[in-house]
Amino acid sequence: GAVVSQHPSWVICKSGTSVKIECRSLDFQATTMFWYRQFPKQSLMLMATSNEGSKATYEQGVEKDKFLINHASLTLSTLTVTSAHPEDSSFYICSARDRESSYNSPLHFGNGTRLTVT
Amino acid sequence: AQSVAQPEDQVNVAEGNPLTVKCTYSVSGNPYLFWYVQYPNRGLQFLLKYITGDNLVKGSYGFEAEFNKSQTSFHLKKPSALVSDSALYFCAVRSYSGAGSYQLTFGKGTKLSVIP
Repeated sequence: GAVVSQHPSWVICKSGTSVKIECRSLDFQATTMFWYRQFPKQSLMLMATSNEGSKATYEQGVEKDKFLINHASLTLSTLTVTSAHPEDSSFYICSARDRESSYNSPLHFGNGTRLTVT
Repeated sequence: AQSVAQPEDQVNVAEGNPLTVKCTYSVSGNPYLFWYVQYPNRGLQFLLKYITGDNLVKGSYGFEAEFNKSQTSFHLKKPSALVSDSALYFCAVRSYSGAGSYQLTFGKGTKLSVIP
């Protein structure tokens, strides 16, 4: 089945530094990838939609200068949390849509990245 | 706007008993509904979906869901619960996000605990 690899699984960084999270589709090409943020005991909040070769579309209230998204190829999207602060600590999950599948097909999710900012 | 509601934060069931995790939806037009499961510190795994056709949808790991248009519900069910089914379950609806793009809107999730 379709596999989405998200790296790293865990990251601890100091306040003020930047962290990059990678999301790769291993056995399919993804024209669209989604980035979510999940707070403890809460649902997934869509942060942005990234389309290969174009700028990401951010949801209302998400700072695009703080959460930089790059989708430079059909198999890789990255999320960079710039100048991280403790309130950015969260679980970040990516998902991808196979370019060969329809909009009714399920998304494929990465295993998430636990970010802790100290 | 498309939305789903999961009225229960937590569901407890004894192992071997049937389980139900509730979901209701609000959509304009035909609903495209999904169930996903999340284990601790992991991403989401797809269980099943309803697009059209039979109201009873069968999915992974013995789960099924019943689409009920009159009640606008899409409850997840399993005849006999396993301890390994304990996880967080999300109902989701496909929604149009503009410019020919679609996304999933998730419910808040229901924590299922299966008691041995």
